[in-house]
Amino acid sequence: DVKVTQSSRYLVKRTGEKVFLECVQDMDHENMFWYRQDPGLGLRLIYFSYDVKMKEKGDIPEGYSVSREKKERFSLILESASTNQTSMYLCASRGGTLDEQYFGPGTRLTVT
Amino acid sequence: AQKITQTQPGMFVQEKEAVTLDCTYDTSDQSYGLFWYKQPSSGEMIFLIYQGSYDEQNATEGRYSLNFQKARKSANLVISASQLGDSAMYFCAMSPNHNAGNMLTFGGGTRLMVKP
Repeated sequence: DVKVTQSSRYLVKRTGEKVFLECVQDMDHENMFWYRQDPGLGLRLIYFSYDVKMKEKGDIPEGYSVSREKKERFSLILESASTNQTSMYLCASRGGTLDEQYFGPGTRLTVT
Repeated sequence: AQKITQTQPGMFVQEKEAVTLDCTYDTSDQSYGLFWYKQPSSGEMIFLIYQGSYDEQNATEGRYSLNFQKARKSANLVISASQLGDSAMYFCAMSPNHNAGNMLTFGGGTRLMVKP
């Protein structure tokens, strides 16, 4: 089975802190994604990566950066956390016969 | 730009009955893929079913089927014989097949609640 893991299920940070969210997949997938999920808005793409050290902006990249130093690991970085970044963050990797995306369990981030 | 619309924020269904979750989409692409995901309260997104824009047959996967009407740009999910474990959020999503990253555009979701 494909396994996508995220470093934390719940996280509470203060405004202005630098925040790291880690995602690891074990299926050797090339493509990985970070989404944020807010009620009524569904999932919105923040960044994606199609190879090591390669990244592309998604729909809402402002306030975020990413890092992919190894194929299995894709990190989302909040340079200076703000209260409007309080959200659920979901990581995914893409593979499978239908190129479907496999998701991690999510990190619920609260910025106070 | 692609857009997915799910017009039902929440729905109730009686256990063992069938239910249809609506999804309409907007795209100028000729080739695309449509996906449905389930998100239980645990938070993890679970892939349910896929329909390619050139597939002539509606996709089926166990109790899930996709009612694909290309001309109307709709891709409704039908769940037959609902079970209590089907209570969850359901998301419709689309990807352009020509996109190497296969980015998904998601709808706002429908919360399904199955009554015993």
